[in-house]
Amino acid sequence: QSVLTQPPSVSGAPGQRVTISCTGSSSNIGAGYDVHWYQHLPGTAPKLLIYDNNNRPSGVPDRFSGSKSGTSASLAITGLQAEDEAHYYCQSYDTSLSGSVFGGGTKLTVL
Amino acid sequence: EVQLVESGGGLEQPGGSLRLSCAASAFTFSNYAMSWVRQAPGKGLEWVSAIGGSGGSTYYADSVKGRFTISRDNYKSTLYLQMNSLRAEDTAVYYCARGNPWGDPFDIWGQGTLVTVSS
Repeated sequence: QSVLTQPPSVSGAPGQRVTISCTGSSSNIGAGYDVHWYQHLPGTAPKLLIYDNNNRPSGVPDRFSGSKSGTSASLAITGLQAEDEAHYYCQSYDTSLSGSVFGGGTKLTVL
Repeated sequence: EVQLVESGGGLEQPGGSLRLSCAASAFTFSNYAMSWVRQAPGKGLEWVSAIGGSGGSTYYADSVKGRFTISRDNYKSTLYLQMNSLRAEDTAVYYCARGNPWGDPFDIWGQGTLVTVSS
């Protein structure tokens, strides 16, 4: 139902690498608009993790990286840690809706 | 520390009204567009409304257009969301966020305030 499609859940063991996909269309990611990623723990403020496809704000570990190609984007997390267990959301702009759109969110479980 | 703190949420009946506030601190509030984003129970994030730095331009998602009004007081560094004709589907945690909805990231978020619309 969300304009951007994310897998509902992913999991990995500590130290492993996981990726979260974000699939859009020609009216958002495919139109060239940047993708941003957020980390969200319930009850807390969402945190900007990656902006403009592959840039990390100050203070975000380099274990987090982003990429974009065509109508999709991905968030990669390497060296998985227990503290990475959270929900992750992608965001972009959609020309048809004339506003920001988000993915449905992906829950990351660290096994 | 740059911070956004929301308030004003609560329980309201369908058709009722609520006014949310978001107090900003530690940055020049008037220099930034501001937005409201909500998250319904068990759902993802949804952009709701945005306002330019001067307050002269406002924007709404179709789901709230005509019922919600965004405004700001730059002297008080406070953002508002007046919500009228509330519906059950407006039940959500409402976050204020620094940024515009036209491609830029929302770089600062508040912790949210819960709005429940129920009889």
